[in-house]
Amino acid sequence: AQSVAQPEDQVNVAEGNPLTVKCTYSVSGNPYLFWYVQYPNRGLQFLLKYITGDNLVKGSYGFEAEFNKSQTSFHLKKPSALVSDSALYFCAVRDISKGTYKYIFGTGTRLKVLA
Amino acid sequence: GAGVSQSPRYKVAKRGQDVALRCDPISGHVSLFWYQQALGQGPEFLTYFQNEAQLDKSGLPSDRFFAERPEGSVSTLKIQRTQQEDSAVYLCASSSRDTTYEQYFGPGTRLTVT
Repeated sequence: AQSVAQPEDQVNVAEGNPLTVKCTYSVSGNPYLFWYVQYPNRGLQFLLKYITGDNLVKGSYGFEAEFNKSQTSFHLKKPSALVSDSALYFCAVRDISKGTYKYIFGTGTRLKVLA
Repeated sequence: GAGVSQSPRYKVAKRGQDVALRCDPISGHVSLFWYQQALGQGPEFLTYFQNEAQLDKSGLPSDRFFAERPEGSVSTLKIQRTQQEDSAVYLCASSSRDTTYEQYFGPGTRLTVT
């Protein structure tokens, strides 16, 4: 069955340090992978996506993610964290090859950037 | 420009009542999704429309859930005979073209069934 795992409920990082939010997936076929962010009292916002091509994708607000097919991972990264990056982050996958339009979201990782 | 809007923002229903939740997607967006988000969980897919056609309803949890998008713009999610387990935030998202494009989410409707 298709699934997405975000193994960490919360990640704490000091401002200015690099951050990583982990995501692994399990789908049959080629995955389309996404990261979304949810700020308090605001809707989910798109950050970046991997469809095909270069394994390193760059997105909004200085975030990037690396698609690793052998490890079935799509970790979100940022070289230097800001306090304003504190939010809830969701990884999502859409399995195109199955012919379904379903998106599967992870349970979310709360990122806390400490000043 | 205007984003995705949903109404009402909050809804309290007594068990057994029917509810209707509305989604106004971004104008011109072809794709429309409904999700259910329980507390502390990620959004869970309910159904997908491409224009007025409902192409995937595999996530609807029971036949009490029904969605429509008759003119390919506004969509309504209806829940009949609500149960306590239906309490959740219902999210609507739209996308400009096919489903490989990023989704724009509305603020959600928080449904509480008492």
